[in-house]
Amino acid sequence: AQSVTQPDIHITVSEGASLELRCNYSYGATPYLFWYVQSPGQGLQLLLKYFSGDTLVQGIKGFEAEFKRSQSSFNLRKPSVHWSDAAEYFCAVAFNTGGFKTIFGAGTRLFVKA
Amino acid sequence: EPEVTQTPSHQVTQMGQEVILRCVPISNHLYFYWYRQILGQKVEFLVSFYNNEISEKSEIFDDQFSVERPDGSNFTLKIRSTKLEDSAMYFCASMRATRTPLHFGNGTRLTVT
Repeated sequence: AQSVTQPDIHITVSEGASLELRCNYSYGATPYLFWYVQSPGQGLQLLLKYFSGDTLVQGIKGFEAEFKRSQSSFNLRKPSVHWSDAAEYFCAVAFNTGGFKTIFGAGTRLFVKA
Repeated sequence: EPEVTQTPSHQVTQMGQEVILRCVPISNHLYFYWYRQILGQKVEFLVSFYNNEISEKSEIFDDQFSVERPDGSNFTLKIRSTKLEDSAMYFCASMRATRTPLHFGNGTRLTVT
């Protein structure tokens, strides 16, 4: 069955430090992959997406993610974290099951310390 | 930029009552979804809707739930007889076509007392 795993429930980084949030997926075919961010009390905002082509994708707010087929991973990175990046981050995978469905990982909460 | 809008932002209801959560998807989108997020937990798929019918539903989406697109703009989720465990944030999302990302509304927080 299709699944998305985010192994880190929460991560704390210092402002200005680099960030990597991990995501692994399970799906038999080439997935469509996404990262969304959720601030408290808000909906989910798309950070970036991967459908095909270049495996390093750029998103908004300085984020990037790299698709590694051999590792079934789609890790999110940012070279220098800002305090405003503190939020919950969700990795998601979409696939065609007759309908077209997106499922989400459990999320990683990012804390940024001064 | 067009947005998915959801009303109300917060709904409080008593157990056993019916609630209808409303959504206006982005106008040129064709695929519609409801997701649920219990406080502090993951975002869970409930149902997808395309071409005026349900495409897929999760095991959460039992007979107490229904969806409707009554006109060309609204997309509603009805819970017939609410239970305490239905308390959650409910997100509506829409998508223009397959292989495009979901666009989410800001959610309706449902509190069942």
